Amino acid sequence: ETGVTQTPRHLVMGMTNKKSLKCEQHLGHNAMYWYKQSAKKPLELMFVYSLEERVENNSVPSRFSPECPNSSHLFLHLHTLQPEDSALYLCASSPDRGSTDTQYFGPGTRLTVL
Amino acid sequence: GQNIDQPTEMTATEGAIVQINCTYQTSGFNGLFWYQQHAGEAPTFLSYNVLDGLEEKGRFSSFLSRSKGYSYLLLKELQMKDSASYLCAVRGNVYNQGGKLIFGQGTELSVKP
Repeated sequence: ETGVTQTPRHLVMGMTNKKSLKCEQHLGHNAMYWYKQSAKKPLELMFVYSLEERVENNSVPSRFSPECPNSSHLFLHLHTLQPEDSALYLCASSPDRGSTDTQYFGPGTRLTVL
Repeated sequence: GQNIDQPTEMTATEGAIVQINCTYQTSGFNGLFWYQQHAGEAPTFLSYNVLDGLEEKGRFSSFLSRSKGYSYLLLKELQMKDSASYLCAVRGNVYNQGGKLIFGQGTELSVKP
């Protein structure tokens, strides 16, 4: 069983659509993260959740809305996106936040906004 | 400001040794990570350095010099499957940066026969 799973793996949506990305971790970790990876750019941290509480929001536009119903699941709700939001969205988890713990990544969702 | 620099691309020959450098300027430091990312796949953890010196793990080694803001990843006995992007990431100070990871843009390594 893989540690961090993400669905869907690929998503194409129009600018007026609403969709959600899902992440699930099977590692018993307490912290979960959303990252955006655009071509030729560094991974950008978007949100951090620790014990289901959002502890960081890195100036992300409100058209991205995270949700963490429990420590194993993390969602990213998308609405009214722009073409420049097309990227690979990666979820990660770690035992705890703010320690030396390693983050484990999911395979990502490749998002294309038309 | 925060800045992580690594070469964009490198090419090496199967069986050879390659060194991927990473320099950083960050307002806090709580460790440096190297990740490997194959195209279309998740980044996977390779190594972690928090003290100066060399950490060896099989064919891969990672070095850190905190005073110079410098790290390198050394890959020995290169194999074709080592063709991937290698990401350098610095963990910021826990107290004023929340211990978050700051990533470089990655080094795309191509291993040729």
